[in-house]
Amino acid sequence: EAGVVQSPRYKIIEKKQPVAFWCNPISGHNTLYWYLQNLGQGPELLIRYENEEAVDDSQLPKDRFSAERLKGVDSTLKIQPAELGDSAVYLCASSLGTVGGNEQFFGPGTRLTVL
Amino acid sequence: KQEVTQIPAALSVPEGENLVLNCSFTDSAIYNLQWFRQDPGKGLTSLLLIQSSQREQTSGRLNASLDKSSGRSTLYIAASQPGDSATYLCAPLFGNEKLTFGTGTRLTIIP
Repeated sequence: EAGVVQSPRYKIIEKKQPVAFWCNPISGHNTLYWYLQNLGQGPELLIRYENEEAVDDSQLPKDRFSAERLKGVDSTLKIQPAELGDSAVYLCASSLGTVGGNEQFFGPGTRLTVL
Repeated sequence: KQEVTQIPAALSVPEGENLVLNCSFTDSAIYNLQWFRQDPGKGLTSLLLIQSSQREQTSGRLNASLDKSSGRSTLYIAASQPGDSATYLCAPLFGNEKLTFGTGTRLTIIP
C-alpha cells in the first residue's frame, strides 16, 4: 500500500515569490492534514480536511496561505507571497477519519527555503 | 492551553540497553496518543497508537503505556540497536481533535 505522497521534496525560492505544495493521501483516507514543522520543534497543524471540507483552519495564516482539496482526494497548499519566516518543513498526513481518533500517517514532507 | 512535554530532550545509551522515553500532557481528556519516530530530514513514522481506554500497546521491541489520569505516557525500547537512533515524538489527540506534538527526544544508540 502506497503511503502519503508529497511533492516537491525540496523547494528554494526568493521572498515574495509564490510556492505550492502537493499531497496525495493514502487511498480511502477521508481526512487530510497539513502541518508545519520548524527546526527542532514538533509539527503544528495548519488545516484539517474532512473530504472536501476544511473543518479546522484556525491556525492557517489566511493573509498569505491558502489550501484546497478538490474532489476530496489530493490537496494543494499555497503561500503567496512567501516570507523569510516561512522556511520550514511542510508535512501532509491522512487518516481514515477523526471520529474516535484514527491513526495519522505522514508523508516525507516538503522542505521550503525562502531566501 | 494544551501542552506536551518530553523528557529528556536528548539521550545517548550504549547498544543493547533498555530505555524509557517520557511524555506528559496537560489535558487528560484525550482520544488517543501516538508515538512517532523521525529520522533526520524525513517525515514521521507512526510507531504505536494507544486509545484512551487502553493502558498499553506493544509492537516488537517497543511498548507504550498510557496513564490518562496523570497525563503521562512512556515509550519503552528493549535491547536498543543503532538503527533506533532517531527523534521520538509523542502526540496526544485532544478533545478538540488536534494532534499536539511534543518537541521530541533525540535518541542516539552508541555501537
